[in-house]
Amino acid sequence: GESVGLHLPTLSVQEGDNSIINCAYSNSASDYFIWYKQESGKGPQFIIDIRSNMDKRQGQRVTVLLNKTVKHLSLQIAATQPGDSAVYFCAENMDNQGGKLIFGQGTELSVKP
Amino acid sequence: KAGVTQTPRYLIKTRGQQVTLSCSPISGHRSVSWYQQTPGQGLQFLFEYFSETQRNKGNFPGRFSGRQFSNSRSEMNVSTLELGDSALYLCASSFTSAQETQYFGPGTRLLVL
Repeated sequence: GESVGLHLPTLSVQEGDNSIINCAYSNSASDYFIWYKQESGKGPQFIIDIRSNMDKRQGQRVTVLLNKTVKHLSLQIAATQPGDSAVYFCAENMDNQGGKLIFGQGTELSVKP
Repeated sequence: KAGVTQTPRYLIKTRGQQVTLSCSPISGHRSVSWYQQTPGQGLQFLFEYFSETQRNKGNFPGRFSGRQFSNSRSEMNVSTLELGDSALYLCASSFTSAQETQYFGPGTRLLVL
């Protein structure tokens, strides 16, 4: 039968505002985390990663925060632009799992001009 | 440097058929992982290959299989296709089978009728 699609959380922001996308990860043993951006019709694109020995990492216009106590990850995008509109996924990995990534359900970011 | 390439980009098959998808990793990358993306289940890990050996496997039936060649190119095969196998199949590559950035290809869109 027809499968029910995941209801993606949606975040709508005004161009120029800051965006914060949140993610709750599943496994307390995970020690490597990545944020990906996926535009329609494309594969996921790497944005930024962070290891469990850090709680904050900054890139160009993006910052990732990691709170291991509550198993929470966030991605902050400064001065959001229309080109940032996409679905954003967090992914987790455990050291003994090689390259296996466990993905969150994703958040759809919509930027209004 | 060329990115991860996947062929074909689109494919239509009927139930019961089999299909083979191909992935060429970024030059120098030796780890290739495969993921299935559907609206209902999101992004799910299929398997990972490193130096022609399967290193990790997700929770998919035995109809899903893969292999890796000495040049690191990888193929995945799905036998006895079912309607529910309709999905975007993504390949990702990294240098090693460890916690490092995985780069995704554009995916192969498979439709099973």
